[in-house]
Amino acid sequence: QVQLVQSGAEVKKPGSSVKVSCKASGGTFNSYTISWVRQAPGQGLEWMGRIIPIFGTSNHAQKFQGRVTITADESTSTAYMELSSLRSEDTAVYYCARGPGYVLTAFDYWGQGTLVTVSA
Amino acid sequence: DIQMTQSPSTLSASVGDRVTITCRANQTISSWLAWYQQKPGKAPKLLIYKASSLESGVPSRFSGSGSGTEFTLTISSLQPDDFATYYCQQYITYWTFGQGTKVEIK
Repeated sequence: QVQLVQSGAEVKKPGSSVKVSCKASGGTFNSYTISWVRQAPGQGLEWMGRIIPIFGTSNHAQKFQGRVTITADESTSTAYMELSSLRSEDTAVYYCARGPGYVLTAFDYWGQGTLVTVSA
Repeated sequence: DIQMTQSPSTLSASVGDRVTITCRANQTISSWLAWYQQKPGKAPKLLIYKASSLESGVPSRFSGSGSGTEFTLTISSLQPDDFATYYCQQYITYWTFGQGTKVEIK
């Protein structure tokens, strides 16, 4: 059974960075992609970016250009999402999600979510 | 960018009702559309992929249809466990979600 387990909640100051991890178990880490999706309080879902671990290639939504870095460590089956220059509007629950295969697909497994609070 | 618009934003229904949610794309996405269910404090759950394919383990009362720019999610007989928020998602060009439809108790 595939599981994605994320790191714990974070409280950050405006202007700082946060790095959230997503450890996968079950399945084969290099046979799928990992995306990051966030959800601000009371709001909808927003795709941020993705990585294909076997190739090490990543893409991100234009909105996060220059602020988001998505990486993966195949040796530990862990993906990471780092968001810099944090502002209050980045307060949200951040999810990792699996896309089976390497092409664009729906997300069949999700992490439990990590709450990131940005506050002075 | 591909924009996804769901309607209605909120839907009030009773147990046993047939419920339909609509999702429209601002350009054609063929059948590259998924539907998710999300309950408060939980991660989304995949229900339907490729517009009409039921994800394994999802009850058959859920169904999806459509292609091109207009899609629907139907719950044939609403159950107590189905009160939640539903999102559509396109995945022909990266990923974009609709704004969500909350299904609440009437």
